[in-house]
Amino acid sequence: KQEVTQIPAALSVPEGENLVLNCSFTDSAIYNLQWFRQDPGKGLTSLLLIQSSQREQTSGRLNASLDKSSGRSTLYIAASQPGDSATYLCAVFKAAGNKLTFGGGTRVLVKP
Amino acid sequence: ETGVTQSPTHLIKTRGQQVTLRCSSQSGHNTVSWYQQALGQGPQFIFQYYREEENGRGNFPPRFSGLQFPNYSSELNVNALELDDSALYLCASSSKLSGGSGETQYFGPGTRLLVL
Repeated sequence: KQEVTQIPAALSVPEGENLVLNCSFTDSAIYNLQWFRQDPGKGLTSLLLIQSSQREQTSGRLNASLDKSSGRSTLYIAASQPGDSATYLCAVFKAAGNKLTFGGGTRVLVKP
Repeated sequence: ETGVTQSPTHLIKTRGQQVTLRCSSQSGHNTVSWYQQALGQGPQFIFQYYREEENGRGNFPPRFSGLQFPNYSSELNVNALELDDSALYLCASSSKLSGGSGETQYFGPGTRLLVL
């Protein structure tokens, strides 16, 4: 059974600092891994999707890496801003069951 | 291109009642997945519909059921509501080719259900 863990559960940083969010998963037989952002009481916004054959993806200030063999992914957010405050969720997709398996999320607060 | 929409946005029910939640998929998408997100937790997969057929199910009892219509919109029905069913229900649409593998899922804003 696939399990996804995100550490830390919460993170508070001053504006301008770089953010490092960690995600680990137990079953390395995945098709892809996605990072999502969720604002309070809202749905999910897809940030980055990394296919299993890829090592990283970048979009603006965001960079996500994937090490499938060790079951780890890291999301880096450079030069954090107060608008980056949200919960960040990682999820892995495995074809069997056609489902995304999510971690519990990391709640981020960027202080002005 | 329209995004994923869900209705209603909020709902209050009492134990034992039944509820129907609705989802309109993004234009061009033929697959809808439903997730339940309890407060402070990550979403849990309920089931997926592809071309009007159930195409995978998570660890949820049979009182959670669904439908997908020819226009690919979908409904989630929950019978005999329990207090623990209180959660944010999210639907996600994607475009699955036959045998497709892990396409991006686009999520709607969710329906927040409170069971009293």
